[in-house]
Amino acid sequence: GAGVSQSPSNKVTEKGKDVELRCDPISGHTALYWYRQSLGQGLEFLIYFQGNSAPDKSGLPSDRFSAERTGGSVSTLTIQRTQQEDSAVYLCASSLAPGVRETQYFGPGTRLLVL
Amino acid sequence: DQQVKQNSPSLSVQEGRISILNCDYTNSMFDYFLWYKKYPAEGPTFLISISSIKDKNEDGRFTVFLNKSAKHLSLHIVPSQPGDSAVYFCAATPANTGKLIFGQGTTLQVKP
Repeated sequence: GAGVSQSPSNKVTEKGKDVELRCDPISGHTALYWYRQSLGQGLEFLIYFQGNSAPDKSGLPSDRFSAERTGGSVSTLTIQRTQQEDSAVYLCASSLAPGVRETQYFGPGTRLLVL
Repeated sequence: DQQVKQNSPSLSVQEGRISILNCDYTNSMFDYFLWYKKYPAEGPTFLISISSIKDKNEDGRFTVFLNKSAKHLSLHIVPSQPGDSAVYFCAATPANTGKLIFGQGTTLQVKP
């Protein structure tokens, strides 16, 4: 079946502009995660949606970052007033159910470059 | 505050030999550990995991060892193959949460 898809695959924007990144999880997966990988760094947790529960936003670096998940499926990560330090690969993952034992399946990522 | 550390940014081994990738963690609340593999321009893919109640888990050519007292885990690949060349990420997660805390990654190159 189809894996996790993300769009756009690449995004170049100017400092101060807003961007929206989209994630389509695997059908039927109830948990969805956003991570980012800055240059030379590991993957950094951003936010986690688990079914109908309130999302875990503990990893969002500032209030310029927000995410929503509509209808328990597609998710959008929004970065307002982008800064150069926001440049990174943004990765989305989904799992069948919440919990540590559930394998997270990652999408290919969106490469964001803020000029 | 890097809770999961992979101190070797790169490793090069000969085909057929053993590859050993290391990972250290600081948070004693972590109770589940995973290894992910990443090829360029692709998302990471799950490789193998281990619960804190175990000290070893094996899956084919891949074995993960956990030393809780030392807060250290390692991934052994034997025999190594050129197709194993990728970036390997160690990850850990505390109980009752799904979020993964990743290390910085180790780039493995397996030479034919």
